[in-house]
Amino acid sequence: ETAVFQTPNYHVTQVGNEVSFNCKQTLGHDTMYWYKQDSKKLLKIMFSYNNKQLIVNETVPRRFSPQSSDKAHLNLRIKSVEPEDSAVYLCASSYTGDQDTQYFGPGTRLLVL
Amino acid sequence: GEQVEQLPSILRVQEGSSASINCTYENSASNYFPWYKQEPGENPKLIIDIRSNMERKQTQGLIVLLDKKAKRFSLHITDTQPGDSAMYFCAASRNNNNRIFFGDGTQLVVKP
Repeated sequence: ETAVFQTPNYHVTQVGNEVSFNCKQTLGHDTMYWYKQDSKKLLKIMFSYNNKQLIVNETVPRRFSPQSSDKAHLNLRIKSVEPEDSAVYLCASSYTGDQDTQYFGPGTRLLVL
Repeated sequence: GEQVEQLPSILRVQEGSSASINCTYENSASNYFPWYKQEPGENPKLIIDIRSNMERKQTQGLIVLLDKKAKRFSLHITDTQPGDSAMYFCAASRNNNNRIFFGDGTQLVVKP
């Protein structure tokens, strides 16, 4: 049963454009995450966020930024996309933090031309 | 460091045999070690996890072992079936850190 929702499923855009991906969880969890999964299936955490703190993976380029209106939503904005941003972006949530099961959304596949 | 190394990257086994995936971690403060399975076209899902107060955990054909001294943990799938074919990711995290680090994944292929 899906409880972490992501939109859109797919997005194709050109270099330099701005994109925004949405994520919503209905599990009542306190912490949400964004991951990037590349073509080799490598899974890299980009951000984790709860109502207390945002933790950024220091390797994430500054053109990426998370946006949250409440604990059920964590969107991802990419200010000026680059070809290497082509990947699947997975949103996840967990009850309190990283010591709990992470529930992943279906992902948003981004293709940058 | 916080890296998690996972091996092998690809594992091919015959149906009915066992499969083992090994991970090592750097930070001795890590105390939670989940394993996720990702089937083709699907999102990762937790299949089993182990905390640092345990050395072994077993559920439904899955066994995880944790060796804190060696900073190593492993997943063992007994009696593999074609449905076990998937990507498997290990991960490690520690308390009050709000960070989790994933291994690079193992592509398991179970041949009928």
